[in-house]
Amino acid sequence: DADVTQTPRNRITKTGKRIMLECSQTKGHDRMYWYRQDPGLGLRLIYYSFDVKDINKGEISDGYSVSRQAQAKFSLSLESAIPNQTALYFCATGQTSNEQFFGPGTRLTVL
Amino acid sequence: AQTVTQSQPEMSVQEAETVTLSCTYDTSENNYYLFWYKQPPSRQMILVIRQEAYKQQNATENRFSVNFQKAAKSFSLKISDSQLGDTAMYFCAFMVPPGAQKLVFGQGTRLTINP
Repeated sequence: DADVTQTPRNRITKTGKRIMLECSQTKGHDRMYWYRQDPGLGLRLIYYSFDVKDINKGEISDGYSVSRQAQAKFSLSLESAIPNQTALYFCATGQTSNEQFFGPGTRLTVL
Repeated sequence: AQTVTQSQPEMSVQEAETVTLSCTYDTSENNYYLFWYKQPPSRQMILVIRQEAYKQQNATENRFSVNFQKAAKSFSLKISDSQLGDTAMYFCAFMVPPGAQKLVFGQGTRLTINP
């Protein structure tokens, strides 16, 4: 089984809809991250969390919110989706080794 | 703020050739980590190689090696004996430990290995 899983893998939604992307990990890592990938821009950090009580904004947090339900679960929400949030979204986990482990990604399309 | 720049949006070479991908970064920090990630069509992000800034020796992993020039803030990836399976997007990334350990990525280079 994969160490970092994301659901759904693909999602098409309409402008104004609320959507949640979920991430689960079995690696036992404290740190979890949400990144967004756009063509020509690489990956950019949306939010990150050190533990259930510690949530931090990243580079591009506007329009997004997160919830760390447990050490193993970190969800990303778009309260009112807009077309420029169409992107590939990655969850990642990390520990003190400085390496991050990525999930398989969620491709989100907002029409 | 740290920035990472990959100046080659696309590259293409023949199978078995050697190819070098460029990456430059900007930081005022002295202690940091640099990474190359590979993203094949499956879109999974795969760590290729990692370099600690305090180590002068260039990292190597089988056919993959880096040329780390700290003073020039340059971190290139060399792929020797390229294979069809090396076809992918390659991202250079930067991290400052400790603390948040956020990754800052470059724009990516799309590498195609032709048969």
